[in-house]
Amino acid sequence: DGGITQSPKYLFRKEGQNVTLSCEQNLNHDAMYWYRQDPGQGLRLIYYSQIVNDFQKGDIAEGYSVSREKKESFPLTVTSAQKNPTAFYLCASSWTLAGVKNEQFFGPGTRLTVL
Amino acid sequence: AQTVTQSQPEMSVQEAETVTLSCTYDTSESDYYLFWYKQPPSRQMILVIRQEAYKQQNATENRFSVNFQKAAKSFSLKISDSQLGDAAMYFCAYRMDSNYQLIWGAGTKLIIKP
Repeated sequence: DGGITQSPKYLFRKEGQNVTLSCEQNLNHDAMYWYRQDPGQGLRLIYYSQIVNDFQKGDIAEGYSVSREKKESFPLTVTSAQKNPTAFYLCASSWTLAGVKNEQFFGPGTRLTVL
Repeated sequence: AQTVTQSQPEMSVQEAETVTLSCTYDTSESDYYLFWYKQPPSRQMILVIRQEAYKQQNATENRFSVNFQKAAKSFSLKISDSQLGDAAMYFCAYRMDSNYQLIWGAGTKLIIKP
C-alpha cells in the first residue's frame, strides 16, 4: 500500500536534547513538508522540500533542521534551540505539478512532549 | 499575505441533519485552489473536497458540497445527512496556483449529536 509513515508515534524529550522525527513516503512524490500543529491553531509550515538535496524554510523554521538525501525520506530534527517543541508534528507529501490534483497526503503524525 | 479564517471554533449538529462550516480567505491572486481537510480523533489528516477558483461550479463529493463565492472570498462546506463518523476537526486551506504551500485556517470542531 502506498502512503506516508511517521515514527515514532509518541516521543519524549528532555530539555537540551535533539530529537529526530522520521518521515518516509512510497508515493514517489517529489515534494515533502513538515507541519507543526498546536491546539486551537491551524497547521504551520516548518520546512518543505521540492527535490532531493534541496529544502526551504517555512514560517516557523527556527530551532528545526531537515535533510533530503533520498526522495522518499525527509527527517526533521528538533534541536535544543527550539524553545517550545511540545506539539503534534505532521509530515506530508505531494507532486510538484500545477493544478488542483496536486493535493497533499499526510502521515499519521508524531506527538512530541518535552519533559 | 494570504490568510484563511474559520470563524466557528466549534459547531454541533444532530445526526442526519445538515451543517455548514464557514471559511473566508484573503488573497489578491486570481488563480488558486481551496481545500477542506478533515482530522478525526485519530489525527490523520484526510482531504474532503477541493475547488479550483476558475470553476464557477461548486464541487461536490457525496454528502459533502461547497458554496464557493469568489467575489466574497468565501468557501463554506456543507455536510448533508450528518453521520457520527463525521465528528472531527475540519480545516479550510488555500493554495496559490504558482506555489505548493498550503495556508491553513485554525479549524472548526464538529460535534455530531446522536
